[in-house]
Amino acid sequence: KAGVTQTPRYLIKTRGQQVTLSCSPISGHRSVSWYQQTPGQGLQFLFEYFSETQRNKGNFPGRFSGRQFSNSRSEMNVSTLELGDSALYLCASSFSHGAIAEAFFGQGTRLTVV
Amino acid sequence: AQSVTQLDSHVSVSEGTPVLLRCNYSSSYSPSLFWYVQHPNKGLQLLLKYTSAATLVKGINGFEAEFKKSETSFHLTKPSAHMSDAAEYFCVVRPKARGGADGLTFGKGTHLIIQP
Repeated sequence: KAGVTQTPRYLIKTRGQQVTLSCSPISGHRSVSWYQQTPGQGLQFLFEYFSETQRNKGNFPGRFSGRQFSNSRSEMNVSTLELGDSALYLCASSFSHGAIAEAFFGQGTRLTVV
Repeated sequence: AQSVTQLDSHVSVSEGTPVLLRCNYSSSYSPSLFWYVQHPNKGLQLLLKYTSAATLVKGINGFEAEFKKSETSFHLTKPSAHMSDAAEYFCVVRPKARGGADGLTFGKGTHLIIQP
């Protein structure tokens, strides 16, 4: 069974631009969540989607948004990029939502803002 | 609200000796707890999880962890370290209230170094 696939793996963008990252969950998984990983802040929760609905959102500005499609694939968008948005963005999928659901992570998209 | 404290940012052990990675958590509600491992330039892999069944949880690659409610701890152990265990380890909490809607809360990570 294929794992969680994130594309692209690497991105370089300029300040002020916007970016869209993609995540394809494991087949059959309906929950997708996104995390930002930086050396200073560690891993932080961005948002979670289940059945195309955003269930919760972490403490990030409105420049960070996401969506989920009917096939459970998800995208996250960051507008008006800042240098501090440089990070590894990780997507995780789960069969269901809820506290006991195991999250399976993709390899991430490394975003560099210059 | 919930939080996780990993008590050591770096742990160094010799190959073949026991590993102990310490984790304390805080949660307003009964939590699910997880340990994940991240090898360089790789995604996160689930080692084990506690969700309210047995308090001693066995995971992959010989790792195990014990949930101690009275101490709010979930320390990760392995009897004998292997060179391939060198990686970053994350302790993670997710409260069960609200259907786990708060997402995963990660500790800052512990970098495990294995000396030959």
